[in-house]
Amino acid sequence: DAEITQSPRHKITETGRQVTLACHQTWNHNNMFWYRQDLGHGLRLIHYSYGVQDTNKGEVSDGYSVSRSNTEDLPLTLESAASSQTSVYFCASSATRGNEQFFGPGTRLTVL
Amino acid sequence: GESVGLHLPTLSVQEGDNSIINCAYSNSASDYFIWYKQESGKGPQFIIDIRSNMDKRQGQRVTVLLNKTVKHLSLQIAATQPGDSAVYFCAENTGRRALTFGSGTRLQVQP
Repeated sequence: DAEITQSPRHKITETGRQVTLACHQTWNHNNMFWYRQDLGHGLRLIHYSYGVQDTNKGEVSDGYSVSRSNTEDLPLTLESAASSQTSVYFCASSATRGNEQFFGPGTRLTVL
Repeated sequence: GESVGLHLPTLSVQEGDNSIINCAYSNSASDYFIWYKQESGKGPQFIIDIRSNMDKRQGQRVTVLLNKTVKHLSLQIAATQPGDSAVYFCAENTGRRALTFGSGTRLQVQP
């Protein structure tokens, strides 16, 4: 069955380190998204992509980057991790823009 | 599992009762709305959606109502079950790009 996976599921890192979170989907969806979820803030959009080589900034993109070299993967990189980036990160994909998004299981990131 | 939010509004209902979860959306240009369910430690899961040219849509045990005049969306769950306990999010889209999510409501079902 088609699915969307994230790895690692849990990560602890130190301030200043570079961290990359993986997202892989097998639906062949063109659209992929990264969100962070914090207490009291719901889901906030970090970056998104509408296809290979396309990336766009969301509302909380500072300190994060993404790259889209193929349809299946959208890795999220924290260039220099900060304690404020401690959060739960969700990846999602959709077949068409703005329509139903399918979410991965999430990655809990702790920056010490 | 991951804690979604300590300060979420909470709706507590008895098993078997009907539940109504409300959401106010912000953009009058939004033309597509979704309700998601998120259980502890999991990603959001699609429940039901509705487009702006509709006022009501029904699924299995769930109904979504859209009132565009007051920019209000509601999710009705019939015969609520313990497995319905979760955080529920509404999301809106203007067709421009990604969805915008509300902050969520926690539903607690008492046995």
